[in-house]
Amino acid sequence: GAGVSQSPSNKVTEKGKDVELRCDPISGHTALYWYRQSLGQGLEFLIYFQGNSAPDKSGLPSDRFSAERTGGSVSTLTIQRTQQEDSAVYLCASSTLTGTTYEQYFGPGTRLTVT
Amino acid sequence: QKEVEQNSGPLSVPEGAIASLNCTYSDRGSQSFFWYRQYSGKSPELIMFIYSNGDKEDGRFTAQLNKASQYVSLLIRDSQPSDSATYLCAVSGGTSYGKLTFGQGTILTVHP
Repeated sequence: GAGVSQSPSNKVTEKGKDVELRCDPISGHTALYWYRQSLGQGLEFLIYFQGNSAPDKSGLPSDRFSAERTGGSVSTLTIQRTQQEDSAVYLCASSTLTGTTYEQYFGPGTRLTVT
Repeated sequence: QKEVEQNSGPLSVPEGAIASLNCTYSDRGSQSFFWYRQYSGKSPELIMFIYSNGDKEDGRFTAQLNKASQYVSLLIRDSQPSDSATYLCAVSGGTSYGKLTFGQGTILTVHP
């Protein structure tokens, strides 16, 4: 079946501009996650949506970052007033409960470059 | 102390050998443990997960979990050049329920 999809695959923006990154999870998956991976850095959790519960925003690095999930499916990550340190690959994952474990499957990512 | 630590690499093994990748975690309440493989320029791909103490085998891969020692490992038998990648250990549950906390990754190279 179709996996997690993300768009755009690449985004180059000027410092100070706003950007929106989109994620389409696997159909039927109830949980959706955003992570980012910077050059030489590990994968860093940003935000997590589970069903209709309030999202876990504990990983968002600043108030310039926000995300929403509409209709329990598609999610958009918005970065306002982008800075050069925001340059990274932004990865979306989705999961559903298998037994007692949420197996997370990643999309191909969006490579964001802030110039 | 990092929350999830992986053995420092890079790790180089000959084709056909067993590759052993190790990971320790600090949150004793962690419940689920994952191994992802990431090829250069690609996103992480889930290989295996484990949540009970002991071994779990899937083809050439075996995950081992010891919650008392807060240790999880991945063994790759009959390593192939196509196994060359970065292997990421990830943990969920405890204080990080739902979200994954990743180690820094171990680069594995399998040489012919």
